[in-house]
Amino acid sequence: EVQLVESGGGLVKPGGSLRLSCAASGFSFSSYSMNWVRQAPGKGLEWVSSISSSSSNIYYADSVKGRFTISRDNAKNSLYLQIYSLRAEDTAVYYCARDFMAGGYDYGAGYWGQGTLVTVSS
Amino acid sequence: SYELTQPLSVSVALGQTARISCGANNIGIKNVHWYQQRPGQAPVLVIYRDTNRPSGIPDRFSGSNSGNTASLTISRVQVGDDADYFCQVWDSGAGVFGGGTKLTVL
Repeated sequence: EVQLVESGGGLVKPGGSLRLSCAASGFSFSSYSMNWVRQAPGKGLEWVSSISSSSSNIYYADSVKGRFTISRDNAKNSLYLQIYSLRAEDTAVYYCARDFMAGGYDYGAGYWGQGTLVTVSS
Repeated sequence: SYELTQPLSVSVALGQTARISCGANNIGIKNVHWYQQRPGQAPVLVIYRDTNRPSGIPDRFSGSNSGNTASLTISRVQVGDDADYFCQVWDSGAGVFGGGTKLTVL
């Protein structure tokens, strides 16, 4: 069974930093591109970042470029999101999501974790 | 940047057919994916690449995509279909979500 478990969220002051983690199990982690998607309270989904299976291709939303860094450790079956210079508008549930197809491109996100809440407030 | 436009809400009577649109310039040339999100839960992929259903998704869910509009159709709507639905595409190295549509089953 595919499982994605996010951790690392919490209450952070504006300007602070945080590192989110996503522990993956139940599939060959190194074969899949991975994604971070966030959802502000009561709002819609916002794509944040994606990383290919070998980390050779990395993409960011304009809203987080320069402040967020996505990475992965295939040996540890883990995905990460390092967040710097946090702003109030970064407050959201952050979901880790696996691409639907291994080695594929643009098949959507087929599996999602339950998310971790990041709250930015003084 | 590429924008996807969805109606804020759609209402449908139990057992009838619901259609949710996702509009954008030339969306017909892109792969459109659809997600269902029930309150307090993570999103679930219900349609990928315009028309394809992942295993476990009922065949009541179908999709289409042409010109400037993609659509998600839910036939024989059930109470459990009451949820938010989001369309999504990949454009120029970035993921893009529609604003979401709240489907209300009457």
